[in-house]
Amino acid sequence: DAMVIQNPRYQVTQFGKPVTLSCSQTLNHNVMYWYQQKSSQAPKLLFHYYDKDFNNEADTPDNFQSRRPNTSFCFLDIRSPGLGDAAMYLCATSRDRLAGGRETQYFGPGTRLLVL
Amino acid sequence: AQKITQTQPGMFVQEKEAVTLDCTYDTSDPSYGLFWYKQPSSGEMIFLIYQGSYDQQNATEGRYSLNFQKARKSANLVISASQLGDSAMYFCAMKGANFNKFYFGSGTKLNVKP
Repeated sequence: DAMVIQNPRYQVTQFGKPVTLSCSQTLNHNVMYWYQQKSSQAPKLLFHYYDKDFNNEADTPDNFQSRRPNTSFCFLDIRSPGLGDAAMYLCATSRDRLAGGRETQYFGPGTRLLVL
Repeated sequence: AQKITQTQPGMFVQEKEAVTLDCTYDTSDPSYGLFWYKQPSSGEMIFLIYQGSYDQQNATEGRYSLNFQKARKSANLVISASQLGDSAMYFCAMKGANFNKFYFGSGTKLNVKP
């Protein structure tokens, strides 16, 4: 089945130690998103890619970076994780708007990040 | 600017009864889409239902239906015959026609009581 895969499902890192979260998709969607979600809150968009075009949100800290080497893969790099970065990180994909507004996002299962 | 408002942080419903989760939105886009997602405690976001701004009829997907009132800018989710497995967070979201971004409401936590 076509899907969005995130690895790992749980990640424990140390304060200040760089960490990379990965996302892959078999849907061949050209838009990929990274969200941060803290407990009982709405997902917060960090950035998204439209093909290789990177779109950063104005309030996304510089500590968060992303790479999309090809259509299928997208990475979230946290350069120096702080305690406040502990959260669920959700990856999602969609077809672009030109495909019509009906297209929903397809989410991966998320990576739960714990910072010690 | 796009904005989604969910005014019910938490809701309780008795098993087998119907429940309505409220969602209002604000946009200047003439064309947009409205989405509802379910997020169980496991964390995965599950797409439930979609309503387009030009759709003439309210969307339905099994036990889910969307009460779309365009003039009032509301898109309430109705879950009929609630089941224990419906206990989860529910998010309303909107996507404008000219952007690839989705805007989420703050969510409603639904608890279904046996």
